[in-house]
This record gives sequence, C-alpha cells and structure tokens, in this order.
Amino acid sequence: EVQLVQSGAEVKKPGESLKISCKGSGYTFITYWIGWVRQMPGKGLEWVGMIYPGDSDTRYSPSFQGQVTISADKSISTAYLQWSSLKAPDTAMYYCARHRAITVAGSTHYYIDVWGKGTTVTVSS
Amino acid sequence: SYELTQPPSVSVSPGQTASITCSGDKLGDKCASWYQQKPGQSPVLVIYQDNKRPSGIPERFSGSNSGNTATLTISETQAMDEADYYCQAWDSTTASVFGGGTKLTVL
Repeated sequence: EVQLVQSGAEVKKPGESLKISCKGSGYTFITYWIGWVRQMPGKGLEWVGMIYPGDSDTRYSPSFQGQVTISADKSISTAYLQWSSLKAPDTAMYYCARHRAITVAGSTHYYIDVWGKGTTVTVSS
Repeated sequence: SYELTQPPSVSVSPGQTASITCSGDKLGDKCASWYQQKPGQSPVLVIYQDNKRPSGIPERFSGSNSGNTATLTISETQAMDEADYYCQAWDSTTASVFGGGTKLTVL
C-alpha cells in the first residue's frame, strides 16, 4: 500500500525556523515527484512545490518561491518542507502529495494521486 | 499567472445530477483533475486526465474538459458526496494551480 506519513503538529513563534517531513513507502520513492500543498484555516488548496528525489529537480509555485525550501533524502525516502523564518500567515495545514506525470500531445502535466494526512503548523507569539 | 475559477457553492437534491465547473484560459488544452475533500480529511483524487477515474472511485463521477471549461459531473448524487471539490491543472509557467473550490451541498 502506498503511504505518505507526515511528521506531527508544530507550534512555533514568528522568526523561528522549521522543517517538516513526509516519508513515502509502498512505492519506488525516487521515481515519483513529491510535493506540498498548503491549506490555510477555512480556505482552499494552494500548491507549494515539488521535488523529484531521483535527481533533486525542484519546482516551486511563484507564490512560494523564495519563501520555503523543498528537499528530499532518497536514502530514507523522505521529503521535507522548510522555513528559515516563520510568519503568522504560515499558519496552515500542509499536505504532502505524490505527483504523477502524464504526457499529452508532447506536453507533460502533473496531478496528485496520493495525499498524506497533513501536518498542522501554528505560528503564534 | 494562470488561474482557475470555480463557483463557491452548488446544491443538488439526492439522486439528481450535480455539475461543478472550472474555468481557465484554454483549459481544454491542459489536463484537468478533480479532488474531493470532506471536513477534517485529506483530499482524494476523483478524476484525472480530464475524464479518468482512479480505482475505487464510483462510476457516478465523470469529467469532461473542452474550450475554457472543465466539468465534474456526479450522477445519482448521494449524501456521502457532500464535500468540497477542487479542480487542478498544470501550467508551464505557473506550475500546478488549484481552483478556489466548490462546496457541494446535498439537500
């Protein structure tokens, strides 16, 4: 069974750093893109970015570029989402998500086929 | 940047057909996916590549995508289908984009 197991809830203060994790199992970790989706309280889904663990190729949403860092350790089948200096608006649920690639008419498209249970991040003074 | 627009809410009576739209510039040239999210749960993929159903998703869920609009159709809607639904597409410059979500109410 394919599973994405995320790290536990975090409560942090503004300005602190944070790294949350997502461990994949039940599939070949290095051959699928794995990424992150943010959901602020009571709001919709926002795509943050993704990484291909096989070669560490990383893509970010323009909205999140420079705000977070996505990385992966293929030796332990784990992806990470990292902040160097948290802000109150970073308070949200963060979902880990396995991405599938499909090629149609010469263009590659991505969708999410497996989701983690989410990690709640609360940033408050 | 690329944007997808969904109606905030759709209501349907049990047993009837619900249609949820997703609009974006030349969306028909991209591949649309749909996700169902119930309160307190992670999203679940219900349609990918415009009209394909993952294993385990009931046949009453179907999708289409043409022009500027993708549509998720739920036939014979049941109370258990009440949820938030999000469309998603991949754009070469914006990367992955979600619609704002549609709350489906089964009255």
